[in-house]
Amino acid sequence: EIVLTQSPGTLSLSPGERATLSCRASQIISSSYLVWYQQKPGQAPRLLMYGASSRATGIPDRFSGSGSGTDFTLTISRLEPEDFAVYYCQQYHRSPLFGGGTKVEIK
Amino acid sequence: QVQLVESGGGLVKPGGSLRLSCAASGFTFSDYYMSWIRQAPGKGLEWVSYISGSGSTFYYAESVKGRFTISRDNAKNSLYLQMNSLRAEDTAVYYCARISYNWNYWYFDLWGRGTLVTVSS
Repeated sequence: EIVLTQSPGTLSLSPGERATLSCRASQIISSSYLVWYQQKPGQAPRLLMYGASSRATGIPDRFSGSGSGTDFTLTISRLEPEDFAVYYCQQYHRSPLFGGGTKVEIK
Repeated sequence: QVQLVESGGGLVKPGGSLRLSCAASGFTFSDYYMSWIRQAPGKGLEWVSYISGSGSTFYYAESVKGRFTISRDNAKNSLYLQMNSLRAEDTAVYYCARISYNWNYWYFDLWGRGTLVTVSS
């Protein structure tokens, strides 16, 4: 069974800084099926990236995704106040599976 | 307006049952696989189940297999989750989500706001 490990658990940054979030799979997965979501308190998750590097509709270009094999990264180039949230990666291999999440908080 | 609205959550005793509903609007419901995903208080996301557009194919997480049943009524644009033999660890917000996929991608692209299920005596 594949396990997705997200790190760090919490990222403390200031607005304007760059955020780099990691998602590591326990075995090689297809980048086509690696997805990122953003969740703010009290809200449902929102689709950010799919296919590891394709932005969903309406997602600003400060968000980018990369990676292949077992290591994937979500980068926020310059944090805006609305970007402070929890981010989840998800993969599909026989069944969907989420990582444990990374909280991006204001320093 | 493209949206999903869940209902049916509430407080139920261990061993009890509950039926969740999800009303879809603004898109051709039968064209899409649909899913239930849950989130325990303060925890991460856990996929629960999904069902094909026709309703003929469905899959469950091991944690709910044999206790939960997913179904849909395309005439009513509705998705359901029948939950039996509920346990304290089933306490969570349950989200309804739409699945978009092809040979090159697979993701949940539309989510409802969720409905809270609390299992407690």
